[in-house]
Amino acid sequence: ETGVTQTPRHLVMGMTNKKSLKCEQHLGHNAMYWYKQSAKKPLELMFVYSLEERVENNSVPSRFSPECPNSSHLFLHLHTLQPEDSALYLCASSQDVGHLPNEQYFGPGTRLTVT
Amino acid sequence: GQNIDQPTEMTATEGAIVQINCTYQTSGFNGLFWYQQHAGEAPTFLSYNVLDGLEEKGRFSSFLSRSKGYSYLLLKELQMKDSASYLCAVRGSTNTGFQKLVFGTGTRLLVSP
Repeated sequence: ETGVTQTPRHLVMGMTNKKSLKCEQHLGHNAMYWYKQSAKKPLELMFVYSLEERVENNSVPSRFSPECPNSSHLFLHLHTLQPEDSALYLCASSQDVGHLPNEQYFGPGTRLTVT
Repeated sequence: GQNIDQPTEMTATEGAIVQINCTYQTSGFNGLFWYQQHAGEAPTFLSYNVLDGLEEKGRFSSFLSRSKGYSYLLLKELQMKDSASYLCAVRGSTNTGFQKLVFGTGTRLLVSP
């Protein structure tokens, strides 16, 4: 595997379910990110981790809970979501959070539908 | 605050040249990125500008004017595979001092034969 991978690619869940999204990067990067991409809206940054430590939490509801057990893996735990949470969830990684240009490499995303 | 504007949609013909504009307002500007995103796929990095001027990379070029808060992505010799969304993103500071990328809504480019 190369680059950034995400599983599952598609997920349908009810509002009372608990599920987790997984991201893995094979680039040796130190920073990982979760973004939300809704139709006709810009990519919204949700969480940032640098060396397994959360460095940014962008006022995301507590029903989204990130976990970064090591610098290669990132999870997003989902609990009692709302229909408006349906979106494409993208994971990204970069060398670190401060180094320029620090371009981010994205995974293919998980298409989430909340019913 | 941070704000990025780019056209929603553009159309062009195969072999032509197209310019996608992006204007921005941000605090603590620290670079502008262009990404390409094909439908259902991950955004992929195209270019980075931090100083004024033109950066050329094959068929793609990106221009930045920091004083005008303006950038454009120039695509030459358009090919059908260039049909995609093009995302402009600006790196700026949050109120916690963190440098984050703020994205525009993207410009969907349709290349026709």
